Amino acid sequence: SQTIHQWPATLVQPVGSPLSLECTVEGTSNPNLYWYRQAAGRGLQLLFYSVGIGQISSEVPQNLSASRPQDRQFILSSKKLLLSDSGFYLCAWSRHTGNPYNEQFFGPGTRLTVL
Amino acid sequence: GIQVEQSPPDLILQEGANSTLRCNFSDSVNNLQWFHQNPWGQLINLFYIPSGTKQNGRLSATTVATERYSLLYISSSQTTDSGVYFCAAQDDKIIFGKGTRLHILP
Repeated sequence: SQTIHQWPATLVQPVGSPLSLECTVEGTSNPNLYWYRQAAGRGLQLLFYSVGIGQISSEVPQNLSASRPQDRQFILSSKKLLLSDSGFYLCAWSRHTGNPYNEQFFGPGTRLTVL
Repeated sequence: GIQVEQSPPDLILQEGANSTLRCNFSDSVNNLQWFHQNPWGQLINLFYIPSGTKQNGRLSATTVATERYSLLYISSSQTTDSGVYFCAAQDDKIIFGKGTRLHILP
């Protein structure tokens, strides 16, 4: 069976510091991978998605970037965090077909607080 | 792009009651999913239902794609059903609704 991991679970960072959140998937190969942000406990916003190694699509221009250095690894980064980057970050995966938006399965999330 | 609206935004029910949550979308969609977000933030897949009706225990869902809505039914509610229910619709992008916050009282 497939599992998806995210770490850290919680993170408190000062404004201006860098960020690296990691997501890994087990039990499948060549998945589609996604990063979402959820602010104020409501509504998920798609930030990035990837259909393969090194292939990143950005949905919303912002202070964040994503990378996919390995098939089942997806990283969300920032060089300098802003207060507005606070939120709950969720990674998701779906099976790879021609459709990048198949049924998605979510990880446990990382709660980020920027002070 | 597609708009997704969920109703009601908040719902408080007594344990054992039934409920219907609605998801309206503004254009035709390729896929539609229902999720339950528990109090710890975990998003749990409930249904992947671009059309038709599916049932899983006390939960069922119906999507009428031609009329651009989907319904989630919860029967005999339990306190563990509390949380936020999201629908997500996809045309060329996936768009989440703002959710329905369900609180089941013991």
